[in-house]
Amino acid sequence: SQELEQSPQSLIVQEGKNLTINCTSSKTLYGLYWYKQKYGEGLIFLMMLQKGGEEKSHEKITAKLDEKKQQSSLHITASQPSHAGIYLCGADSGGYQKVTFGTGTKLQVIP
Amino acid sequence: EAQVTQNPRYLITVTGKKLTVTCSQNMNHEYMSWYRQDPGLGLRQIYYSMNVEVTDKGDVPEGYKVSRKEKRNFPLILESPSPNQTSLYFCASSLLLAGPSYNEQFFGPGTRLTVL
Repeated sequence: SQELEQSPQSLIVQEGKNLTINCTSSKTLYGLYWYKQKYGEGLIFLMMLQKGGEEKSHEKITAKLDEKKQQSSLHITASQPSHAGIYLCGADSGGYQKVTFGTGTKLQVIP
Repeated sequence: EAQVTQNPRYLITVTGKKLTVTCSQNMNHEYMSWYRQDPGLGLRQIYYSMNVEVTDKGDVPEGYKVSRKEKRNFPLILESPSPNQTSLYFCASSLLLAGPSYNEQFFGPGTRLTVL
């Protein structure tokens, strides 16, 4: 079965600093999804990547899928306290709406 | 407002006492799913439904039941809860596109369940 490993597991950064979260798959990724979870709340969809080398941005968050489609990175520029939360990557496991999630990266942004 | 609602948000119960967690969506989505989230294990799928009266097991279905009698509702039933079912539960819904694919899932706010 597909396994997703996220690194780091947790991250504390000073406000204004850039940061990167990685998601590595044991198999080729046919679809990679990034979600953000605020503490104690549900998940919010950030973006989806499907093609090798694809890159998408939303506000100060940029996600990339490598050419080999086995790793994705999420980059936050000039972090703000509003970026704090848990970031999860999810991968298409095949079939209808079947997705496997990584264990998440907990981000804290210190003012 | 388009949303997925879950009730209750917090629940403390005792072993063996049947409980139901409700989930409702107002977006006319065909697909609905239940997940549990545990530290170090991430989000794992319990059951999912592709439409009314169509349900199937996810990765961790043992000890749970679901039903889909109406399109908007997808309750999660624990017939005899045990302490290992203490977890944070999420309901999600999405449109179902033709063919194997993935579409953005909308998640409810979560239900924190403690079984003593």
